[in-house]
Amino acid sequence: AQSVTQPDIHITVSEGASLELRCNYSYGATPYLFWYVQSPGQGLQLLLKYFSGDTLVQGIKGFEAEFKRSQSSFNLRKPSVHWSDAAEYFCAVGPFTGTASKLTFGTGTRLQVTL
Amino acid sequence: DTEVTQTPKHLVMGMTNKKSLKCEQHMGHRAMYWYKQKAKKPPELMFVYSYEKLSINESVPSRFSPECPNSSLLNLHLHALQPEDSALYLCASSQDAAASNTGELFFGEGSRLTVL
Repeated sequence: AQSVTQPDIHITVSEGASLELRCNYSYGATPYLFWYVQSPGQGLQLLLKYFSGDTLVQGIKGFEAEFKRSQSSFNLRKPSVHWSDAAEYFCAVGPFTGTASKLTFGTGTRLQVTL
Repeated sequence: DTEVTQTPKHLVMGMTNKKSLKCEQHMGHRAMYWYKQKAKKPPELMFVYSYEKLSINESVPSRFSPECPNSSLLNLHLHALQPEDSALYLCASSQDAAASNTGELFFGEGSRLTVL
């Protein structure tokens, strides 16, 4: 069965500081991996995705993530955090059957940004 | 148009009421999803429709009844709900492999349901 672990429930960083959110997954085959962001009371917005190719993927809002198969990790990074990045971040893994996805989400990491 | 639109944004209902949540997308996606999200928790998959047929039901109680009238619309009919069903209900859609081979989901903003 697939699973996702986000070990950090809550992270606080200062504006302008770098950020790394951790994600570890368990999946039997080559995974489809995603990072989503959710502002309070809102839906989820896709930041970036990985399914093959270059293991360093670029996303929106200056985010990037690196897929490391040997460590079963897909950590999200940003070199300089902005106050507007404060939100809940979810890592997700899942199979894509070709017609639909069955994503499993991690428990999320709440990011707080101090000014 | 790259949006998934959900209505209503907020819904309060009693345990004996019948109500419906609606979801619409015009991106030509052929898979549509219902997720349930409790406060401070990740989204949990409820149902998946693929090409307008129910393909996944994650053992959801029958008081939740999904319907996919056409490829752009997805409904969730609610009846005899319990207070513990109060949550944010998220609709999502995705392309099929002919259009995209990554399977990412596009989410709506959700319908916040309160059951009294």
